Amino acid sequence: EAQVTQNPRYLITVTGKKLTVTCSQNMNHEYMSWYRQDPGLGLRQIYYSMNVEVTDKGDVPEGYKVSRKEKRNFPLILESPSPNQTSLYFCASSLGGSRPSTDTQYFGPGTRLTVL
Amino acid sequence: GQQVMQIPQYQHVQEGEDFTTYCNSSTTLSNIQWYKQRPGGHPVFLIQLVKSGEVKKQKRLTFQFGEAKKNSSLHITATQTTDVGTYFCAVLHYSSNTGKLIFGQGTTLQVKP
Repeated sequence: EAQVTQNPRYLITVTGKKLTVTCSQNMNHEYMSWYRQDPGLGLRQIYYSMNVEVTDKGDVPEGYKVSRKEKRNFPLILESPSPNQTSLYFCASSLGGSRPSTDTQYFGPGTRLTVL
Repeated sequence: GQQVMQIPQYQHVQEGEDFTTYCNSSTTLSNIQWYKQRPGGHPVFLIQLVKSGEVKKQKRLTFQFGEAKKNSSLHITATQTTDVGTYFCAVLHYSSNTGKLIFGQGTTLQVKP
């Protein structure tokens, strides 16, 4: 089954404790992206990756890191989480290609993160 | 950066009434996508519009792209309780090799049975 998976689905942590949220897709997609969703603000892009070893900042990259060492995985790293990073996080992927993708974004199930 | 304004933020309707959400941009858009997110779920792609004045239909849903490609709308005819959720528009903003996807704030639809 074609899908995007994220782990963990729920996480409660404390300020300053490094964490990683994993994202994996099995559709051989080139484009992957991370979003955070907050009430009234919709979905805001954190980072995206056009292909392996190619990443770029979205609209709200501060406090986050990503890596794209292999095509299927795109982990989101919070080196020193703070309470304002409490949010619902979605990973997404799409076919991509030689130019920025305009095709369907497939979203993972989401990770609800609480930073105390 | 490019902004996409989506209105209204919330809409409560009686089952059977129509519903419309609008996305507006100050700049010309190359394309626009629409997504639906059910409560507790993740966004799911509905459709993409690319041509000026384009109109597409999916059963009771009608999607329009403005003639100037600066606005778009999603209209649901005779809403049902299964239409409950948040509807997002999204536009791709790119130059050179960048590929940022900008989402509107979303319109949350509640349907009273």
